[in-house]
Amino acid sequence: EDQVTQSPEALRLQEGESSSLNCSYTVSGLRGLFWYRQDPGKGPEFLFTLYSAGEEKEKERLKATLTKKESFLHITAPKPEDSATYLCAVQHSNSGYALNFGKGTSLLVTP
Amino acid sequence: DAGVTQSPTHLIKTRGQQVTLRCSPKSGHDTVSWYQQALGQGPQFIFQYYEEEERQRGNFPDRFSGHQFPNYSSELNVNALLLGDSALYLCASNKRDRGSNEQFFGPGTRLTVL
Repeated sequence: EDQVTQSPEALRLQEGESSSLNCSYTVSGLRGLFWYRQDPGKGPEFLFTLYSAGEEKEKERLKATLTKKESFLHITAPKPEDSATYLCAVQHSNSGYALNFGKGTSLLVTP
Repeated sequence: DAGVTQSPTHLIKTRGQQVTLRCSPKSGHDTVSWYQQALGQGPQFIFQYYEEEERQRGNFPDRFSGHQFPNYSSELNVNALLLGDSALYLCASNKRDRGSNEQFFGPGTRLTVL
């Protein structure tokens, strides 16, 4: 059975303090790995899709990387507005378009 | 370009009642998926509709049913509501044969069952 585990569950950073969030997955036949940002009480906002090991994508202060077993979301010099829950999801090559989500990492960036 | 929209925003029901939630996909999208998100958890896949048919289903009971209309909009119906059905219900859409698999989510409907 596909599994997605995110760590840490919660992370508190000072503004400007860079760090990484981890997403470990076990899936036989990965079609894609997705990162979303979710603000409280709102729907997830799409950030990145990664398809193969070694792939990297960047957007502003965020950079996502992918290996055969895990993905990292690197946050460089975060700002308070980066505070949110970051969700990782995998899509199995034989499961249509269903996304299997982890529980998320709750990030708080303080001034 | 309108994104995914959902209605209503909030809903309060009592146990045993039935509820219908609605979703309009992002412009140009033809596939709609529904997810349930309990507090502090990641979204859980309920089912997906394409060409007005249920194409894939997650581990949810038959009390959960849906429909897709010719204009690609969709409804989620839940019968015989239980307290445990209280959650944020999310709709997501994508263009099935676009070569990319990104799903875009709506703001969700917060369902409270008393």
